[in-house]
Amino acid sequence: NAGVTQTPKFQVLKTGQSMTLQCAQDMNHNSMYWYRQDPGMGLRLIYYSASEGTTDKGEVPNGYNVSRLNKREFSLRLESAAPSQTSVYFCASSDPQGFGENNGYTFGSGTRLTVV
Amino acid sequence: KNQVEQSPQSLIILEGKNCTLQCNYTVSPFSNLRWYKQDTGRGPVSLTIMTFSENTKSNGRYTATLDADTKQSSLHITASQLSDSASYICVVSGSGGSYIPTFGRGTSLIVHP
Repeated sequence: NAGVTQTPKFQVLKTGQSMTLQCAQDMNHNSMYWYRQDPGMGLRLIYYSASEGTTDKGEVPNGYNVSRLNKREFSLRLESAAPSQTSVYFCASSDPQGFGENNGYTFGSGTRLTVV
Repeated sequence: KNQVEQSPQSLIILEGKNCTLQCNYTVSPFSNLRWYKQDTGRGPVSLTIMTFSENTKSNGRYTATLDADTKQSSLHITASQLSDSASYICVVSGSGGSYIPTFGRGTSLIVHP
């Protein structure tokens, strides 16, 4: 089925460990996004990639890095995990660039990350 | 700063009853407003999209309204079902400049049998 695939679905890290969250979409979308969702905070944008080869910071980029590997894949890396990064992470994609009238985000099913 | 405020934060209703969720925004200039449904443990899924010229749009038992003058939207759910239990998120996009939309924090709806 077409959509956005995130891996892993669950992960537990120790403080200071690193990991990469993977995201792939098969809808030929230009734009991809990483959000985190915390209780009572809603979805907050971490980083986004308007098109292949470009990335930009969102609202809460500190402690994260991203790579737009190709048009399909957009990964999120935690270099040194902290308990404050315990959250649910969602990847999304959209096309054309942005959030136009006839397009919206397609979200992945999320990665639940716990940092202890 | 663009903001999207949703109310109530949470709501509990009995199966079969109707309910209305509210969304107020300050995003300007306005492009469109979407309502998303997010089931527990899943990503959000789009329910409706409304542009400046639209006042009402329906998707089955879901009806969204938009008053662009007062910058308010509502999502009305008719004859609620247990499967309506979810978080409902209002998302507003502006036109021009950054195309990144502004998300509300959502309303958590619980439907009891």
